[in-house]
Amino acid sequence: DQQVKQNSPSLSVQEGRISILNCDYTNSMFDYFLWYKKYPAEGPTFLISISSIKDKNEDGRFTVFLNKSAKHLSLHIVPSQPGDSAVYFCAASTNTGNQFYFGTGTSLTVIP
Amino acid sequence: DAGITQSPRHKVTETGTPVTLRCHQTENHRYMYWYRQDPGHGLRLIHYSYGVKDTDKGEVSDGYSVSRSKTEDFLLTLESATSSQTSVYFCAIRGVGLRYEQYFGPGTRLTVT
Repeated sequence: DQQVKQNSPSLSVQEGRISILNCDYTNSMFDYFLWYKKYPAEGPTFLISISSIKDKNEDGRFTVFLNKSAKHLSLHIVPSQPGDSAVYFCAASTNTGNQFYFGTGTSLTVIP
Repeated sequence: DAGITQSPRHKVTETGTPVTLRCHQTENHRYMYWYRQDPGHGLRLIHYSYGVKDTDKGEVSDGYSVSRSKTEDFLLTLESATSSQTSVYFCAIRGVGLRYEQYFGPGTRLTVT
């Protein structure tokens, strides 16, 4: 049973516009959430994270929003650039930080 | 870049043969993880280690075993490979503390024929 879900397998956005990637989770014990970016034939790389005590975290062009009541988080990329084209995974963990649960990924294409 | 390598990077093997994948880190991180990535499933945790000789199962551990005899090495073994274990395998490491981000290796593409 998938505890972390990314319901959009793909997303296309024009360069310079905003990209919004969504993620839903079912386990109310999740305490920490992360986004990873993955290029083909490479391992995922960490992008940004958020603790459940916050509802927003920003790092340059990337902002993650957390809505605990809706069990929903989103990643905003502004402005989108062609180099952002990759697969994005969201992940969640309880406060032990021992196990991480990943979504199925969203493939983002930024069109020049 | 985190110092994490995986070997081999590619492997083709036959059903029923044993296979061992190696993950090596130079960061002295406490936690190490093995994931598999499959279309439609994302990344799924196979096993993880929280110290030398300390390991635990993840969500898809059946058919896999692990060992960690040194901080820097985490081995994943398929005792008798099956076609359903054809996948891309990623190792990840994580330090101790409040920051939970993991650093991933480049992956091993395993094909079981």
